[in-house]
Amino acid sequence: KNEVEQSPQNLTAQEGEFITINCSYSVGISALHWLQQHPGGGIVSLFMLSSGKKKHGRLIATINIQEKHSSLHITASHPRDSAVYICAVTGSARQLTFGSGTQLTVLP
Amino acid sequence: DAGVTQSPTHLIKTRGQQVTLRCSPKSGHDTVSWYQQALGQGPQFIFQYYEEEERQRGNFPDRFSGHQFPNYSSELNVNALLLGDSALYLCASSLGGEGAFFGQGTRLTVV
Repeated sequence: KNEVEQSPQNLTAQEGEFITINCSYSVGISALHWLQQHPGGGIVSLFMLSSGKKKHGRLIATINIQEKHSSLHITASHPRDSAVYICAVTGSARQLTFGSGTQLTVLP
Repeated sequence: DAGVTQSPTHLIKTRGQQVTLRCSPKSGHDTVSWYQQALGQGPQFIFQYYEEEERQRGNFPDRFSGHQFPNYSSELNVNALLLGDSALYLCASSLGGEGAFFGQGTRLTVV
């Protein structure tokens, strides 16, 4: 079993829809990261969370430490949101362990 | 602030050759981590450098080595390249290992 599990693996939505991507982890962590990767490779850090909820524009990230679960929500989705969204955790060793990513496609 | 910069962006090498990839961290960051991302997979941790020393290492063979310079920039060296080393190599910088800012990556193709 992977230490970081994401779901779904692939997600197709219509423009304007509310999107949720889930992440579960099995290890103790000091922080959880939500990352965005566009074709071509570069990774952008969206959020770093250790508790509660963070919001940035149309993006919202939540984490439940007791349940070892986090969600990334996108409101009013747009085709430019199409990307791979990756959940990663920082464990005691201060290295990132990544989920396998969620490929999001938002259709116009 | 240029953020994290990596060079080169793309590279083609022949099996058996050696390659050096470079990373300049975000201004103020002192820790550099390297990751390998094979096509269609999540990044895998290679190693992390802090204060010019390798602080942690993932499950990669000794063919993968690195260095951190006094200005915190870092190099990743891979010797005796294999076809399976073809991947996107990502560098991430942080302050003391907390947080992560990523570069655009170096796409290495081994033929």
